[in-house]
Amino acid sequence: AQTVTQSQPEMSVQEAETVTLSCTYDTSESDYYLFWYKQPPSRQMILVIRQEAYKQQNATENRFSVNFQKAAKSFSLKISDSQLGDAAMYFCAYRSAREYGNKLVFGAGTILRVKS
Amino acid sequence: KAGVTQTPRYLIKTRGQQVTLSCSPISGHRSVSWYQQTPGQGLQFLFEYFSETQRNKGNFPGRFSGRQFSNSRSEMNVSTLELGDSALYLCASSLKGPGSNTEAFFGQGTRLTVV
Repeated sequence: AQTVTQSQPEMSVQEAETVTLSCTYDTSESDYYLFWYKQPPSRQMILVIRQEAYKQQNATENRFSVNFQKAAKSFSLKISDSQLGDAAMYFCAYRSAREYGNKLVFGAGTILRVKS
Repeated sequence: KAGVTQTPRYLIKTRGQQVTLSCSPISGHRSVSWYQQTPGQGLQFLFEYFSETQRNKGNFPGRFSGRQFSNSRSEMNVSTLELGDSALYLCASSLKGPGSNTEAFFGQGTRLTVV
């Protein structure tokens, strides 16, 4: 079974600065998808960024980028120019491309606090 | 375009009762998945429905069940509620079925409290 580990329960960053959230995963598969989701106090999960395992290029979405290291099974999220609205719980998630289903396996989450 | 709608938003039930939660996916989406979120266990997959059929199931007891209707709306039911069932239940909808490379969109969840 696949597992996702987020080793940082909580992180803080000063507004306008950069922060990196860590995620490692364990799988025996070669084809899969990785995601970062944001969950603000409203509790609605919002997709931040996704990465297909077969793509070597790291995904980027505006101020959000990932460092995908397939051999190391590492998938970190970098947030540049942090804003107050980035404060939320961030979840790393894995989805198999081979298994039948859209099941997401989530990490425990990292609370991100943004200081003004 | 309306997002994923979950009803009710909040629910308080007594131990031993049963409860039904509803999820209306984004128009045109045919796949619906359910997740349980608790402080202790985090986010755990319950089950997934596509074309009115359960396609995948997580490791939950038989008290947890679900169904999907022809309009893709889904319901989940929990019977004989236990205190440990208190959680945020999240529903996610996807455009295509299992195995496809489509994004999952989440609703705001139903907060269930069992007393």
